[in-house]
Amino acid sequence: EDQVTQSPEALRLQEGESSSLNCSYTVSGLRGLFWYRQDPGKGPEFLFTLYSAGEEKEKERLKATLTKKESFLHITAPKPEDSATYLCAVQAGDYKLSFGAGTTVTVRA
Amino acid sequence: EAGVAQSPRYKIIEKRQSVAFWCNPISGHATLYWYQQILGQGPKLLIQFQNNGVVDDSQLPKDRFSAERLKGVDSTLKIQPAKLEDSAVYLCASSRNRGLGEKLFFGSGTQLSVL
Repeated sequence: EDQVTQSPEALRLQEGESSSLNCSYTVSGLRGLFWYRQDPGKGPEFLFTLYSAGEEKEKERLKATLTKKESFLHITAPKPEDSATYLCAVQAGDYKLSFGAGTTVTVRA
Repeated sequence: EAGVAQSPRYKIIEKRQSVAFWCNPISGHATLYWYQQILGQGPKLLIQFQNNGVVDDSQLPKDRFSAERLKGVDSTLKIQPAKLEDSAVYLCASSRNRGLGEKLFFGSGTQLSVL
């Protein structure tokens, strides 16, 4: 069974304090790894898809990287509006997405 | 373009009652998903439709949950009878198709409380 583990569960940052979120996975035949952002009371919103080890993608203050066993989401100089829960999901051979429990990020001004 | 629409936004029922949720996906999206998200957990897939056919319902508790997608567009998810452990947010999502790298677009969900 596919397993996705995210750490830490919660992260409190000061504005401008860069940090990284971890997503480790066990999956048979990884087709893609996804990052989503979820705001309170809303559904997840797509951020990135990574397909192979060594791949990196960036969007504003976020950068996602992928290795053979884990992915990192780096937040550079975060702002309060970056506060959200960040979800990692893996897509396996049947194209089904399996989500981790998420990391809740709080950025204080 | 309009996003995924879901209703109702909130629902409170007593255990053993029945409840139904409605979803209207993004126009032209062939694949529709229902996810259950329990507080503090990631979304768990309940059922996936490709047009109006079921692709995956392996995690749907079929003794109490049912879903249909009429004419390959709107979908309803029903729970009958509800249990306390069904308290969760029910998210509907859609994608253009089913395959490699297809990104899902989610609605805002229906928050269900079973008392």
